[in-house]
Amino acid sequence: DAKTTQPPSMDCAEGRAANLPCNHSTISGNEYVYWYRQIHSQGPQYIIHGLKNNETNEMASLIITEDRKSSTLILPHATLRDTAVYYCIDLKAAGNKLTFGGGTRVLVKP
Amino acid sequence: NAGVTQTPKFQVLKTGQSMTLQCAQDMNHNSMYWYRQDPGMGLRLIYYSASEGTTDKGEVPNGYNVSRLNKREFSLRLESAAPSQTSVYFCASSETGQGSAEQFFGPGTRLTVL
Repeated sequence: DAKTTQPPSMDCAEGRAANLPCNHSTISGNEYVYWYRQIHSQGPQYIIHGLKNNETNEMASLIITEDRKSSTLILPHATLRDTAVYYCIDLKAAGNKLTFGGGTRVLVKP
Repeated sequence: NAGVTQTPKFQVLKTGQSMTLQCAQDMNHNSMYWYRQDPGMGLRLIYYSASEGTTDKGEVPNGYNVSRLNKREFSLRLESAAPSQTSVYFCASSETGQGSAEQFFGPGTRLTVL
């Protein structure tokens, strides 16, 4: 089973880009990389996902290395409301079962 | 659309008591999930239901039972609550599809077992 590793915490200045790294060196070829975030005590919120290609949506961009061993979530212009725990997750091929690790606690500072 | 709703929002139980956590979704999703989150930790999958009429164990199923009542509703039952089950419980739902499905989460039920 693939497993992801993330730094436990990072700070970011408001208005600047936040780059969140994730290592998933044992990910298999048909497993997607998903990013979720959890603001305070709310339920997790989907951000973005990808398989091989870089992806962008209204919330963020996802850059996946060519060997798929790591990825970076980019929040282009961080706001105070982006303060949250960000989870990088591998999606097992069967059953869409998410495996949450410890995540990265991101603090956006004014 | 309300999305995923959970009841109750808060609950306090005594050791040995039983209760059922309710979850409903109005997005016509096939798959539903129950997770628990202990303080400072990530979510762990308890049970999931890939489609109506089917349920399967997740990572931490001991002490729990589930019922997929219909396509909309997925309940989680604690038959004899223990202090170790003090946690926040999240329900989620998703479309069924191998390898690519966004999960939508409810607001959570905060359970304390004394």
